[in-house]
Amino acid sequence: KAGVTQTPRYLIKTRGQQVTLSCSPISGHRSVSWYQQTPGQGLQFLFEYFSETQRNKGNFPGRFSGRQFSNSRSEMNVSTLELGDSALYLCASSLDQRPLHFGNGTRLTVT
Amino acid sequence: EDQVTQSPEALRLQEGESSSLNCSYTVSGLRGLFWYRQDPGKGPEFLFTLYSAGEEKEKERLKATLTKKESFLHITAPKPEDSATYLCAVQPGGSEKLVFGKGTKLTVNP
Repeated sequence: KAGVTQTPRYLIKTRGQQVTLSCSPISGHRSVSWYQQTPGQGLQFLFEYFSETQRNKGNFPGRFSGRQFSNSRSEMNVSTLELGDSALYLCASSLDQRPLHFGNGTRLTVT
Repeated sequence: EDQVTQSPEALRLQEGESSSLNCSYTVSGLRGLFWYRQDPGKGPEFLFTLYSAGEEKEKERLKATLTKKESFLHITAPKPEDSATYLCAVQPGGSEKLVFGKGTKLTVNP
């Protein structure tokens, strides 16, 4: 069974630009969550989607948004990038029962 | 506020030298406590879920235990391939999110 797939693996963007990250969950998983991982703050919850609906949202500014499609694939978007947005963005999926299964992330560098 | 604190931040062991990692938590209504392993450049890999105080889970050289305020990850006779960062997370009641600790970086020397 294929795991959670995130694309791209690496991204370099300039301040002020926007970026879209993609996540394909494990087949059959309808819940998709996004986390930001930085050395200083560790893993922090961004949002969680289930059947195309956002069920939970973390304490991030409105520049961070996401969506889920009918096939459970998910995207997250960050607009007006700031240097502090440089991080590893992790996507995880589950069968709406824990545990979460994580992808290997997208490493975003903002210059 | 839900919070997870892991200690120590880093731990160096010799191969075969057993030890324990600590995860202390405060949470409103624990739905579950999770242990993950993360290797450099990869996402966290699920190890265990614990739901209630007194529960224990084992997998190879790892054993996780849970009390009302903390969890321990015991590593027996570790090998170099056990080197990784170990993450602890809790799921608060009524929430779908996980709250993570900052992890313990374990290095096992041959």
